[in-house]
Amino acid sequence: QQKVQQSPESLIVPEGGMASLNCTFSDRNSQYFWWYRQHSGEGPKALMSIFSNGDKKEGRFTAHLNKASLHVSLHIKDSQPSDSALYFCAVTLSNYNVLYFGSGTKLTVEP
Amino acid sequence: GGIITQTPKFLIGQEGQKLTLKCQQNFNHDTMYWYRQDSGKGLRLIYYSITENDLQKGDLSEGYDASREKKSSFSLTVTSAQKNEMAVFLCASRRTGGNYAEQFFGPGTRLTVL
Repeated sequence: QQKVQQSPESLIVPEGGMASLNCTFSDRNSQYFWWYRQHSGEGPKALMSIFSNGDKKEGRFTAHLNKASLHVSLHIKDSQPSDSALYFCAVTLSNYNVLYFGSGTKLTVEP
Repeated sequence: GGIITQTPKFLIGQEGQKLTLKCQQNFNHDTMYWYRQDSGKGLRLIYYSITENDLQKGDLSEGYDASREKKSSFSLTVTSAQKNEMAVFLCASRRTGGNYAEQFFGPGTRLTVL
């Protein structure tokens, strides 16, 4: 059974600072990795995905994947108050239809 | 673009009651999902459907039924509401056939059981 764990549970960073979110997964057959963001009162929305080891950058967001250490991370540069939200890591196995979600990291960016 | 609509937005029921939540999407996506989200926690999969009249159980299917009446709609029934089922139920859809296709989510139905 795939287990996806995120840390920290909550994170406070100053406006303009760097936020780093971590995720570990248990199944070495994990294929594809997503980061979703959920603002209060809304459904989650996909931020970015990664499937190869290394870094992937999209604007202020960089995802890093290391399959050997079963770890994926998200780094947010120049954090803005609008980045305050719940962030989820989600992982697929060979069935791409099914996503396994972590329990989330609550990010607060203080002006 | 498209949109996922969930009704009702808020649902209040009595313990033991049968309750139905509805979801509609106009993305023309093949695959649809129901998740449960407990306060401040992650999403757990209840059911998904890869085409009309198909149903696949998720890890949390016990206590729920689902129905995919047509491609654009997916319903979830709580068969007997329990006090510990106060949660947000999220519907999602995804284009099938693309390994990298993301899931799009609706705004959720918030369930309160009295």
